Amino acid sequence: EPEVTQTPSHQVTQMGQEVILRCVPISNHLYFYWYRQILGQKVEFLVSFYNNEISEKSEIFDDQFSVERPDGSNFTLKIRSTKLEDSAMYFCASLGKQLFTNFGPGTRLTVT
Amino acid sequence: EDKVVQSPLSLVVHEGDTVTLNCSYEVTNFRSLLWYKQEKKAPTFLFMLTSSGIEKKSGRLSSILDKKELFSILNITATQTGDSAIYLCAVVPMEYGNKLVFGAGTILRVKS
Repeated sequence: EPEVTQTPSHQVTQMGQEVILRCVPISNHLYFYWYRQILGQKVEFLVSFYNNEISEKSEIFDDQFSVERPDGSNFTLKIRSTKLEDSAMYFCASLGKQLFTNFGPGTRLTVT
Repeated sequence: EDKVVQSPLSLVVHEGDTVTLNCSYEVTNFRSLLWYKQEKKAPTFLFMLTSSGIEKKSGRLSSILDKKELFSILNITATQTGDSAIYLCAVVPMEYGNKLVFGAGTILRVKS
């Protein structure tokens, strides 16, 4: 069964550094998302991406964040200058014709 | 603002018990409600509900939606230790492809 994959599974970075989180969505899906979950808190929406552009973004998704789909398979989330409060589990997700969102296994980002 | 509230926040039961998890919501232009199970990492899909009164069933799990009273329940019968997880309720507002709005989740622990 096809699934969303994410790399790396865990990323440790220093405050102020740039990080890129990578995702390969399910191949025939058209909608792509990033969500995050701070430890012990709700899963929060960051951004949705459709037809090669951002379709919606949350207040969390400020100028420090960007997304790209550089080729036909990868979908990336970049954080330009990480802050301590960016430490969280970041989930990539995709949506296709079956109408439910499929989540990847997540990347745990630790900012020190 | 769209809102999803789950109750109880946590629950401890013994194997064989039946549990009922609750999810109430307030969203603009409701489209569907989804239940996910989150164990170690990614939320995995359980059910999607779009119509009132139609029970969805998968083994020992079942769920139903009431669009008039704006809530859904997830039932688990004959619980097993493998059912221990966080159960997440999420609502899709507005159009297809939109973000998921998550509740805080119910932490279920099944003791042997």
